[in-house]
Amino acid sequence: TQLLEQSPQFLSIQEGENLTVYCNSSSVFSSLQWYRQEPGEGPVLLVTVVTGGEVKKLKRLTFQFGDARKDSSLHITAAQPGDTGLYLCAGARTSYDKVIFGPGTSLSVIP
Amino acid sequence: DADVTQTPRNRITKTGKRIMLECSQTKGHDRMYWYRQDPGLGLRLIYYSFDVKDINKGEISDGYSVSRQAQAKFSLSLESAIPNQTALYFCATRDSSYNSPLHFGNGTRLTVT
Repeated sequence: TQLLEQSPQFLSIQEGENLTVYCNSSSVFSSLQWYRQEPGEGPVLLVTVVTGGEVKKLKRLTFQFGDARKDSSLHITAAQPGDTGLYLCAGARTSYDKVIFGPGTSLSVIP
Repeated sequence: DADVTQTPRNRITKTGKRIMLECSQTKGHDRMYWYRQDPGLGLRLIYYSFDVKDINKGEISDGYSVSRQAQAKFSLSLESAIPNQTALYFCATRDSSYNSPLHFGNGTRLTVT
């Protein structure tokens, strides 16, 4: 059983559509991070959220940390083919703890 | 040059062989991690180290060992490789500041036949 769950596992959408992916846990995290991974490369950090209820925006991407710090969401507006990739959430329960990952959401944006 | 370098990039080995994967970094970070990635399972933590000589087990350490002899180097060994250790392996580093990001290498694709 994974400590962090992500949904959906796969998502295929048309260019221009909006989408939301979710990261959930039964545990409280001091912070959650979102990474994006392209084939043949390591994951790259998109954002870190640390405060319950926090919302961060990165161009067309909006990230939210749940009030109880157990879940997070990533919303993409007007998806583009360049958004295609594997989106991973990761968290640490304390700042001195190991970082663990969810299973990822594989996004494909069709032109 | 990459900040986090993994060698080799690809390796094919036979069941029962000992194999070592190397990771070196130029970022000056104290913390280093080894993860393996399998389809549908994300990245699972094998071992991590917060300093030289500091070694901690992760989620799936059985069948693996690590060595952190210098701040910049963290090696992962499979003492007797088995086919279900076929996976993509990533090394990552992180500094010790609060909520700092992980910086990944480009991975080693290991196939055990």
